[in-house]
Amino acid sequence: EAQVTQNPRYLITVTGKKLTVTCSQNMNHEYMSWYRQDPGLGLRQIYYSMNVEVTDKGDVPEGYKVSRKEKRNFPLILESPSPNQTSLYFCASRPGTRNTEAFFGQGTRLTVV
Amino acid sequence: GENVEQHPSTLSVQEGDSAVIKCTYSDSASNYFPWYKQELGKGPQLIIDIRSNVGEKKDQRIAVTLNKTAKHFSLHITETQPEDSAVYFCAATPPAAGNKLTFGGGTRVLVKP
Repeated sequence: EAQVTQNPRYLITVTGKKLTVTCSQNMNHEYMSWYRQDPGLGLRQIYYSMNVEVTDKGDVPEGYKVSRKEKRNFPLILESPSPNQTSLYFCASRPGTRNTEAFFGQGTRLTVV
Repeated sequence: GENVEQHPSTLSVQEGDSAVIKCTYSDSASNYFPWYKQELGKGPQLIIDIRSNVGEKKDQRIAVTLNKTAKHFSLHITETQPEDSAVYFCAATPPAAGNKLTFGGGTRVLVKP
């Protein structure tokens, strides 16, 4: 089954404790991205990757890091989480061509206390 | 960059009635306009999309219209059913931004039996 898998689904952590949210897709998609979803703000792109070893900032990249060492994996790293990073996070993948469907993971609800 | 505004933020309709969600975009070069449905506890899923060379597209009970001159597009759901209850997001994709999707703020639709 074609899917995007995120882990964990839920995470509560303390300020400053480094964490990683994993994302993996099995569709051989070139393009992957991370979004955060906040009430009334829709989905805002954090980082994206056009292919292996190619990453770039989205609209709200501050406080986040990503890596793309393999085509299927695109982890999101919070080196020093802060309470304003409490949010619902989604990983998505798309084929490399433009104007194509984005496939989203199930989401990770992160709470930073 | 592209800016997408979506209205209303919440919409309550009686089962069997129609629902309409409207979005406006700022970048006249945007050429791809997808709509995503997010059910509770799940990631967004594409339900319909339209490209800038088309004015209207229909798929069973859902339809999307695009007015390029006015820079707005709308989602129409007819004969609403309880399973249509979800959060809906519109998005726009300007060519200059590659594969980037810019989302509206979302509309929470509640279909009352």
